[in-house]
Amino acid sequence: AQSVSQHNHHVILSEAASLELGCNYSYGGTVNLFWYVQYPGQHLQLLLKYFSGDPLVKGIKGFEAEFIKSKFSFNLRKPSVQWSDTAEYFCAVKPNTGTASKLTFGTGTRLQVTL
Amino acid sequence: DAGVIQSPRHEVTEMGQEVTLRCKPISGHDYLFWYRQTMMRGLELLIYFNNNVPIDDSGMPEDRFSAKMPNASFSTLKIQPSEPRDSAVYFCASSFPSGGPLVDEQFFGPGTRLTVL
Repeated sequence: AQSVSQHNHHVILSEAASLELGCNYSYGGTVNLFWYVQYPGQHLQLLLKYFSGDPLVKGIKGFEAEFIKSKFSFNLRKPSVQWSDTAEYFCAVKPNTGTASKLTFGTGTRLQVTL
Repeated sequence: DAGVIQSPRHEVTEMGQEVTLRCKPISGHDYLFWYRQTMMRGLELLIYFNNNVPIDDSGMPEDRFSAKMPNASFSTLKIQPSEPRDSAVYFCASSFPSGGPLVDEQFFGPGTRLTVL
């Protein structure tokens, strides 16, 4: 079974600082990878996803993530965070089986951006 | 499209009562997922359906929990009897993985915040 580790549980940054959130997964086969964001009091929304091709994936709101297969990693980055990026970020993985199967989520990283 | 719709948005009940949470997936989606989110355990998949049929219910915590999907546009998650430790936010999500390579994105509903006193 697959698993996901997010090592940063709580990150505090000042506005304009650069962001990198770690995500490592464990699975022996091909995977699809996702980053979801949950703003305070809201539901999860997809930030970006990787299925195949270019390992550098660009998502909404200036976020990007890089899939490094050799490291089983899919870290999320943003060059300059804004106060509105304050949210919880979840990395998720699913086996690339060609059909739907359950997403396995990490425990989440709470990002707090200060003014 | 209105997105995934869940009701109620908030539910407060007393221990021992039956609780029913409802979900309407996005029209045309053929997969439906129920998740539970707590501070202690994060986001856990409880059960998911494909074409109204339960595929994997290994995440359902115990017999007090049951889920049904009588048709393509409606699902329920029932807890009977409810206990304080069931307090959590319950999310429903749907996806349509038959649409080609850019598929398998799960669209989440707004969640139901359940408090069991």
